[in-house]
Amino acid sequence: DQQVKQNSPSLSVQEGRISILNCDYTNSMFDYFLWYKKYPAEGPTFLISISSIKDKNEDGRFTVFLNKSAKHLSLHIVPSQPGDSAVYFCAASDSSNTGKLIFGQGTTLQVKP
Amino acid sequence: KAGVTQTPRYLIKTRGQQVTLSCSPISGHRSVSWYQQTPGQGLQFLFEYFSETQRNKGNFPGRFSGRQFSNSRSEMNVSTLELGDSALYLCASSRSGGANEQFFGPGTRLTVL
Repeated sequence: DQQVKQNSPSLSVQEGRISILNCDYTNSMFDYFLWYKKYPAEGPTFLISISSIKDKNEDGRFTVFLNKSAKHLSLHIVPSQPGDSAVYFCAASDSSNTGKLIFGQGTTLQVKP
Repeated sequence: KAGVTQTPRYLIKTRGQQVTLSCSPISGHRSVSWYQQTPGQGLQFLFEYFSETQRNKGNFPGRFSGRQFSNSRSEMNVSTLELGDSALYLCASSRSGGANEQFFGPGTRLTVL
């Protein structure tokens, strides 16, 4: 039972354009969501998070949108840069399940120069 | 501020052996979570420790265990290694383990022959 799903295994965009990565979840108890970026042979790097009381959070080039009724979140990267090429994971947690993040399978983003 | 450190970075063991992995969290972080990453299963939660107590546990057999010391450093142990235990083991620290960002170490790559 995969509670967090990233249905697109890969995404390719041109440098300077917008990258949109999507994530769906099934557990309505989730109240905190995070995005991580991961390079090979490294641990995931935290990018941005959002609480379920918000529908948008922005940090520089990164914006996360949360649609609770659709149980959907997305990460927008504008403008995309070649250094953004990596695997992106969305993760979710609920406040009753301490320290436990449920991860999606990841989306590989390639930004072409 | 120093990040999360994990030792060793690489390990090769044979079936039936046991292994101990170490994690030092970010200074001031009291929660340490452990994850297993494999190509087939993605990132899966093993357990979480806070103030030397295991607060949460994932769906892994009892061969996987851990502990946390008074300085918040944590170790995980895998006994009677199986081929399927080959994976990247990641630890992550956060201030309290609740709705907080978790910051990951670089991981320990375990290969079981």
